[in-house]
Amino acid sequence: GDSVTQMEGPVTLSEEAFLTINCTYTATGYPSLFWYVQYPGEGLQLLLKATKADDKGSNKGFEATYRKETTSFHLEKGSVQVSDSAVYFCALTRWGNNDMRFGAGTRLTVKP
Amino acid sequence: EAGVAQSPRYKIIEKRQSVAFWCNPISGHATLYWYQQILGQGPKLLIQFQNNGVVDDSQLPKDRFSAERLKGVDSTLKIQPAKLEDSAVYLCASSVQAPNTEAFFGQGTRLTVV
Repeated sequence: GDSVTQMEGPVTLSEEAFLTINCTYTATGYPSLFWYVQYPGEGLQLLLKATKADDKGSNKGFEATYRKETTSFHLEKGSVQVSDSAVYFCALTRWGNNDMRFGAGTRLTVKP
Repeated sequence: EAGVAQSPRYKIIEKRQSVAFWCNPISGHATLYWYQQILGQGPKLLIQFQNNGVVDDSQLPKDRFSAERLKGVDSTLKIQPAKLEDSAVYLCASSVQAPNTEAFFGQGTRLTVV
């Protein structure tokens, strides 16, 4: 079945470091891909999305490119801030029914 | 625009008791989801509604979990009887009825079964 695999955390970085969180997927058809963020004590918020191959989603300095040839959607940010500390989830929707499947999440801690 | 509303925020019950969670989706969103998020894991879909019909309930433990969405708006999720392993955050989400669209999530209900 369709699934998402994320790099295991936790990830700890210093402020202004470069961030990469790996995400790969298995899916039939043409899924849409998403990154959600969950700040402490809050619900999941959409961070960015891409709906077709080679699309790049971006928001708040974060970027991810839909790579069909490597079935990947890695999240990157050039310079992280303490306020980026959160849990990040990669997700996909299956073609045709919007059933959203999530990865296990990666906890990011940014230290000053 | 009002977001997805859930209640209660927290609930503690003893095993074998019953519990119900309520969700009010974003106005106009035809699709409603219930997810279970166990600590340290990603959300797992329990049930998906399209208006008031069930699209997918393949991962819902039907011997103890039930959900309904009367009139295609609000939804309730019930657990009866609860087990210790049901301790989790229960998330409700909604989306428009269109392909490739994101889901909007409520803050969730944290259930602790003791």
